[in-house]
This record gives sequence, C-alpha cells and structure tokens, in this order.
Amino acid sequence: NAGVTQTPKFRVLKTGQSMTLLCAQDMNHEYMYWYRQDPGMGLRLIHYSVGEGTTAKGEVPDGYNVSRLKKQNFLLGLESAAPSQTSVYFCASSDRDTRQETQYFGPGTRLLVL
Amino acid sequence: KNQVEQSPQSLIILEGKNCTLQCNYTVSPFSNLRWYKQDTGRGPVSLTIMTFSENTKSNGRYTATLDADTKQSSLHITASQLSDSASYICVVRDNYGQNFVFGPGTRLSVLP
Repeated sequence: NAGVTQTPKFRVLKTGQSMTLLCAQDMNHEYMYWYRQDPGMGLRLIHYSVGEGTTAKGEVPDGYNVSRLKKQNFLLGLESAAPSQTSVYFCASSDRDTRQETQYFGPGTRLLVL
Repeated sequence: KNQVEQSPQSLIILEGKNCTLQCNYTVSPFSNLRWYKQDTGRGPVSLTIMTFSENTKSNGRYTATLDADTKQSSLHITASQLSDSASYICVVRDNYGQNFVFGPGTRLSVLP
C-alpha cells in the first residue's frame, strides 16, 4: 500500500516548456487535489476532482490544466511554464466527503522554472 | 477574506520540553479545523481534526484545543522528541465545497 505517490520528484524547466506531473493513489479514494506550496505561504489549491472524469478549479488555477481519466490518477499539466510557477507541488487524496475525512498527501514535486 | 494565521513563525526548544503553537482564523462558516505535521521534504500528515463541538482532541503527545467563539486553536506538544522537528500547519475548512484554508505553518526545531 504505497498511499499517494508523485512523479517526478524534481524537475527543472525553461520558460515556455511544458510538462505533466503525475499523482497516483492506491486507496480507492474519490477525491484528489493539487496544491502548490510557496515559502511563507500556506498551501493553495490549484484544481481538484471529486471523481473519475470530473475536475474543478481551485484558488489558483491559471496556467494549469488537469485530467482524471482513471480514478487512481490525477494529472497536472503546465502548458507553457513561467518562473512564477516555481514551487513545490503536492497531490492529496481523500475518501468520500464526510466533512471530516482525512486528506493524504504525496511527497511533493519540486519544480524550478528558469 | 478567509485567513489562517499561525504563531510563532518558528520555535526552538530543548528535547523533553513542552511547547504550544497557536492558530487564529477568520474562516466562515466554519466546518472543521485540522493540524498537520510536515517533515522537511515530505507531504503534510494529519494529526487531528476537530469540529465545532469539540474543545480538545489528542493524538499521543499532541493535544489540540479549539475555541470556536474566539476562533482560536492551539497545538500542545508534550515531552518533545527530536523527531518532532517539523512544520506544523493549521488548516480550517469552511462549509462550502472543497475549500481548505491553510496557515503558513510554525517551524519547530527540537534540539538535544
């Protein structure tokens, strides 16, 4: 039982390049989330999904796209990376929404955009 | 605007000592408050989740308190260990959708 895994762990991009971050969970969770964490700030929600085939915007969605084609996977895409997207990206998952369900986080992906 | 503030920003204590971390929030309407521990280079891990009606909740040496009237919470760590060195994040969930408001965290260093 690996929990939530993220690939890659670290990536360096040049401005304008594209990439996809992969999140996978093996807990059969319905809900999945993408957050970014910047120094001195709390985690901010980029996009989330409440089930396979569904996605929704969070607090800071601009410049990102997501897809949830399979229940266990949640992909975050950057079509044209910008230096402002340098951050640590965390994926999380949780079971059905009971208001008190625990969010399980992955280990993070460090992204540097030059 | 929904906000979560935490204090202190950082804290250094000696192993075996107790400490208390503070969280103030303006999130409304309130659903629940969570404390997470985040080790360096790792994702956050849930410690406690408290609803409006819960004043205190413990998880081993971690005890969280909640005062929903003053919109304050605290996390008390008893008999600190070196492994407690981490960032502690307060998160408040509102009653709308998937809105979790994360605080900036308190960085705790436990020294031998």
